[in-house]
Amino acid sequence: DVVMTQSPLSLPVTLGQPASISCRSSQSLVHSDGNTYLNWFQQRPGQSPRRLIYMVSNRDSGVPDRFSGSGSGTDFTLKISRVEAEDVGIYYCMQATHWPLLTFGGGTKVEIK
Amino acid sequence: EVQLLESGGGLVQPGGSLRLSCEASGFMFSRFDMTWVRQGPGMGLEWVSLISATDGSTHYADSVKGRFIISRDNSKNTLSLQMNSLRVEDTAVYYCVKGAWADVWGQGTTVTVSS
Repeated sequence: DVVMTQSPLSLPVTLGQPASISCRSSQSLVHSDGNTYLNWFQQRPGQSPRRLIYMVSNRDSGVPDRFSGSGSGTDFTLKISRVEAEDVGIYYCMQATHWPLLTFGGGTKVEIK
Repeated sequence: EVQLLESGGGLVQPGGSLRLSCEASGFMFSRFDMTWVRQGPGMGLEWVSLISATDGSTHYADSVKGRFIISRDNSKNTLSLQMNSLRVEDTAVYYCVKGAWADVWGQGTTVTVSS
């Protein structure tokens, strides 16, 4: 099974400063069709998860452009260019390349310093 | 608007059963794989099960294989999860999720397994 490892576990950030979250997979996430099915989710306190990024770098509708995703193969990154108060929450990566067994990372908690 | 509405959660004793339902609206339900994801208290997200739109094949995490059964009724736009032989460690919020790409999530339904 594919294991997704996120770091750091906790990320205290000053408002207006950038933040970066790493996600590494135990196997390549390049699908046989050439695509890479790596998504990022945000879960604000008390809410359901919300998808932010799909296929490594594509922002979902309504997601602010301060969020960006990058990476390839087994190493991926979610960046927030300037953290705002509403960005507090837990961020998860998830792979869907190895369908039907979907796998989530353990999560990274973003908080304001 | 795409919506997923879960129901059926509650308190059940270890060894008991529970059936979760998810009513989908706002999209062509029959064309999408559907997924259940759970989140234990203070824990991360765990994929539980997926049912294919293409052939109705079902897939399970090892932690629930042989105990849970996922099904769908495309005529009613409904996804279900029959949970049997429940264990304390099955306690979680269960989310109904659209697709394998997980672009839409329901609000979740809480399952508590306790004596």
